[in-house]
Amino acid sequence: DVKVTQSSRYLVKRTGEKVFLECVQDMDHENMFWYRQDPGLGLRLIYFSYDVKMKEKGDIPEGYSVSREKKERFSLILESASTNQTSMYLCASFEGGSTEAFFGQGTRLTVV
Amino acid sequence: DAKTTQPNSMESNEEEPVHLPCNHSTISGTDYIHWYRQLPSQGPEYVIHGLTSNVNNRMASLAIAEDRKSSTLILHRATLRDAAVYYCILRDETSGTYKYIFGTGTRLKVLA
Repeated sequence: DVKVTQSSRYLVKRTGEKVFLECVQDMDHENMFWYRQDPGLGLRLIYFSYDVKMKEKGDIPEGYSVSREKKERFSLILESASTNQTSMYLCASFEGGSTEAFFGQGTRLTVV
Repeated sequence: DAKTTQPNSMESNEEEPVHLPCNHSTISGTDYIHWYRQLPSQGPEYVIHGLTSNVNNRMASLAIAEDRKSSTLILHRATLRDAAVYYCILRDETSGTYKYIFGTGTRLKVLA
C-alpha cells in the first residue's frame, strides 16, 4: 500500500521556535509538495520539489524553507514560528507523468 | 497558473446522482483536469482526471465541455461516505515540473 507519512498529527510550538515538519514517502516518487490548509482558503502551495536537492517556491513561501536531501524525505522548516503559521500542513508526492498524487494525513500545527 | 471556480457548497440526497460543476475558462491546451476529494480529517485523495474526452472510473464520471472551459464531476449514486470537499484542479503536463494548484473546493453534504 502506497504511503505518505507525516511525522506528527498534532504539534504545539511557541512563537519564535524553529519547527521541522517531516514527510516521508515510500513510493520512490520524484515530486513532493507542501501545502497549508486554512478555513475558507483551501489548500495553498508553499514549496515543491521535483528531485533531490531541488526546490521551487509555491504561492506562499514566505516564512518557510524546505530541505530534500534524500528522495523519500521532504522537510518543511519554519525558521521562527509565528502565530499566523498556525494551520493544517499537508504533504503530497507523485511520480512525474503519472496521474495520482498521494497525500499524508496532515499535521495540525498550533503556534502559541 | 490557470484557475478553477467551484460553488462553495452543494447538497444531495442519498442514493441520488450529484453533479459538481467546475469552471476553468483560462485552461490551456496542455492542462489536464483533475478532481480530488478530501474526507473529514484526511488528506485529499484522487478521484478522476481527463483531458478532452469524458472519463469513467469506479468512483465517478467526468464530463468535459467541448470547449474545455468547464467540467462536471458526476457521482452516480451519492452515499453518506461521499460527504467531502471536492477540488477541481488543472495540471500542466508539459512544464516538466508539476504543480497542483487547489482552489477552495465544493463542500458536498449528503442527506440521509
